[in-house]
Amino acid sequence: DARVTQTPRHKVTEMGQEVTMRCQPILGHNTVFWYRQTMMQGLELLAYFRNRAPLDDSGMPKDRFSAEMPDATLATLKIQPSEPRDSAVYFCASGLVLGQGLTEAFFGQGTRLTVV
Amino acid sequence: GNSVTQMEGPVTLSEEAFLTINCTYTATGYPSLFWYVQYPGEGLQLLLKATKADDKGSNKGFEATYRKETTSFHLEKGSVQVSDSAVYFCALTKVGDTGRRALTFGSGTRLQVQP
Repeated sequence: DARVTQTPRHKVTEMGQEVTMRCQPILGHNTVFWYRQTMMQGLELLAYFRNRAPLDDSGMPKDRFSAEMPDATLATLKIQPSEPRDSAVYFCASGLVLGQGLTEAFFGQGTRLTVV
Repeated sequence: GNSVTQMEGPVTLSEEAFLTINCTYTATGYPSLFWYVQYPGEGLQLLLKATKADDKGSNKGFEATYRKETTSFHLEKGSVQVSDSAVYFCALTKVGDTGRRALTFGSGTRLQVQP
């Protein structure tokens, strides 16, 4: 059963600490997304990758967030330094883009981040 | 740019009631349209999709028809169950000027079904 795997599921950290969230996309998918979900803002696109290359990270605060795909089986989202306003659920999703369209996106179960 | 507008929730229904959750979109050209469902503590799951005008997506008793003339993709179910209680997201994707193919989500509609 193919699925997107995110680790950790929950993370509590102190303000100023570095946080790394990891995602294993579905094998064969060529697109990876990072979304952040909060009650106030809903779902926000932070970044997305096509064939491991970053295509758009305009949704990320550049001074503290970074996203990478060191290989096809791992995507990472880092926050350094973390702040209380970063508390949210972070979702990774992967999908397959063919021709002109995204067939569909599969979401992981998310990492619930709490910064105190 | 692309945008998706959903009806505000929560929507509270009794079991076996008829469900409609409205969704309208703004996009040039021909987007693909999706409904995702999020159960408590879970990620989003694709519920159904439609890729061209007049297509009807269906799954688990839910249906939505791609209406280009009204730019809508309303979600319907004839008889809801308590287990359908969740947050429902309407979304679209299309190739924009920059070649973006990411999903644009609505704000989500919470459905509460009471026994």
